[in-house]
Amino acid sequence: DAGVIQSPRHEVTEMGQEVTLRCKPISGHDYLFWYRQTMMRGLELLIYFNNNVPIDDSGMPEDRFSAKMPNASFSTLKIQPSEPRDSAVYFCASSKLRGADHYQPQHFGDGTRLSIL
Amino acid sequence: RKEVEQDPGPFNVPEGATVAFNCTYSNSASQSFFWYRQDCRKEPKLLMSVYSSGNEDGRFTAQLNRASQYISLLIRDSKLSDSATYLCVVNDIPYKYIFGTGTRLKVLA
Repeated sequence: DAGVIQSPRHEVTEMGQEVTLRCKPISGHDYLFWYRQTMMRGLELLIYFNNNVPIDDSGMPEDRFSAKMPNASFSTLKIQPSEPRDSAVYFCASSKLRGADHYQPQHFGDGTRLSIL
Repeated sequence: RKEVEQDPGPFNVPEGATVAFNCTYSNSASQSFFWYRQDCRKEPKLLMSVYSSGNEDGRFTAQLNRASQYISLLIRDSKLSDSATYLCVVNDIPYKYIFGTGTRLKVLA
């Protein structure tokens, strides 16, 4: 089975440029998560969707960040304008809820390594 | 107090040793618990879910102690390939997962 697919794997761009990260969740999963990981702050949840609807975006650092999920098989995370402090690894993860109180683990994509110069 | 706390390590152990990690969580209403493994520059991968009765998968044993609000991971007969960072994950509010900062393990030849 195909796992979570992210693109690009690596992105190097200059400060001020727009950056778009892409994610295709596992088919049939109804939850999608965007995370950011740095050495200093560890793994941080940015936003998550349920059935394509954003549920909690409290982790989005500022208005420069935006995320969309136009359909069940595609999501984007956009940074505009980008800054050097946005450099990190960005992970997308998906999962499926089973039952009212039984939560399934998340499955992660390979990540996008973003460097803003 | 952090929502999920782990000893960052590193834990340096010889091959064949038994090593245990603990992870404490602050929300007594948390319902689901997991251990993930993350290799350097790779994505987190699910190692095992943690069930109330405790569970075992080969050399790995996970336990949950709700009264004291901690979960544990025991690795027996450590292999060089077990060297990684182990992340504790707790489901805090419905469908929001809180990751610990991870415990680094290095198994030495």
